[in-house]
Amino acid sequence: EAGVAQSPRYKIIEKRQSVAFWCNPISGHATLYWYQQILGQGPKLLIQFQNNGVVDDSQLPKDRFSAERLKGVDSTLKIQPAKLEDSAVYLCASSSTGEGQPQHFGDGTRLSIL
Amino acid sequence: AQSVTQLGSHVSVSEGALVLLRCNYSSSVPPYLFWYVQYPNQGLQLLLKYTTGATLVKGINGFEAEFKKSETSFHLTKPSAHMSDAAEYFCAVRLSGGYNKLIFGAGTRLAVHP
Repeated sequence: EAGVAQSPRYKIIEKRQSVAFWCNPISGHATLYWYQQILGQGPKLLIQFQNNGVVDDSQLPKDRFSAERLKGVDSTLKIQPAKLEDSAVYLCASSSTGEGQPQHFGDGTRLSIL
Repeated sequence: AQSVTQLGSHVSVSEGALVLLRCNYSSSVPPYLFWYVQYPNQGLQLLLKYTTGATLVKGINGFEAEFKKSETSFHLTKPSAHMSDAAEYFCAVRLSGGYNKLIFGAGTRLAVHP
């Protein structure tokens, strides 16, 4: 089966600019996750969707980050305006519903803020 | 609150030697536990998972982990390291309740030298 697809792989922007990331999950996976992974740390969940509804966005900096999952398939994550501390790898993952279902990760987008 | 602690941010072994990566968790309910591996510039790949049943779990690439409730541990082992095992390894625990949310440890970077 095709894996989780993310684009772009790399992005360099200046602070205060905006940026958007795209994710296409594994076909049939109802749950989609966006993580932020800062260098030297484990991934931190930003937002979780069940179909096209948000079920957890408790760690999403809502003053600058937004995400949507229209039609319950693809998703976009946006940062506007970007800050230096947003430099990180943004990972998208998806999973089937059900207890203990593993999350499958894309290769991520590496964001550098100048 | 549930959490994951990985002891040792860097582990170095010789090729052919035993690999032991340590993970301790805190959870108020029986946990679901996962080990993921991350190669450079890639996303996370599932190595193995523990949900219920047998406490010794076998995963891909010759890795296995043992769930020890009394020690709240889920250490990852491999009898004989290969050069290709050099990567970052993350332990994760699924939070109780909610929608399959994972908490990740900070990761352990494994180096394998000839």
